[in-house]
Amino acid sequence: DIQMTQSPSSLSASVGDRVTITCQASQDISNYLNWYQQKPGKAPKLLIYDASNLETGVPSRFSGSGSGTDFSFTISSLQPEDIATYYCQQYKDLPLTFGGGTKVEIK
Amino acid sequence: EVQLLESGGGLVQPGGSLRLSCAASGFTFSNYAMSWVRQAPGKGLEWVSSISGSGSSTNYADSVKGRFTISRDNSKNTLYLQMNSLRAEETAVYYCAKGGSLQFCSAGSCYPPVFDYWGQGTLVTVSS
Repeated sequence: DIQMTQSPSSLSASVGDRVTITCQASQDISNYLNWYQQKPGKAPKLLIYDASNLETGVPSRFSGSGSGTDFSFTISSLQPEDIATYYCQQYKDLPLTFGGGTKVEIK
Repeated sequence: EVQLLESGGGLVQPGGSLRLSCAASGFTFSNYAMSWVRQAPGKGLEWVSSISGSGSSTNYADSVKGRFTISRDNSKNTLYLQMNSLRAEETAVYYCAKGGSLQFCSAGSCYPPVFDYWGQGTLVTVSS
């Protein structure tokens, strides 16, 4: 199975800060990676697909990059409504696997 | 507007069975693969199973293979998950999720590469 390792597991930042989360795959997954946002008590929401493509309707402050084994997800200017846990997910191979999540809080 | 509404969760004893349903609307159901993803309390996301739009192709996580069965009724726009021999560690919120417009194929299997819409989830509690 392809293991997805996210870091950090949690972070605290101020409104307006630039926030970056990394996701490392245990093997080369090309750009077969998605990012999801899960707000407390809610279902996950797709933000980024194919490593760097913004899903329709998602604010442009969210972005993704990377290829191979190393990926990053960035919020360019953190907003209060961005409080959530973020997950990466690979689809290079079955089983589909998610990273452990990164909980983002406001300082 | 895409809507996915899960039902069927509840309390079940270890070794018991439960069938989850997911009623879909707002899109042409038969054109899209569907999946189940679960989340144990306070934990991360775990893919459980996927099924093609026609229902002819299914995939499962090793942890549920042989015990869970995914199916769909395209005439009713409904996705199902039959869960047998349930274990305490399978206590979780079970989400149904719609696949994107394309299937991805790797190593002889085809499956949805992305979950672009999710239901609100249904809680399954396995406990005596």
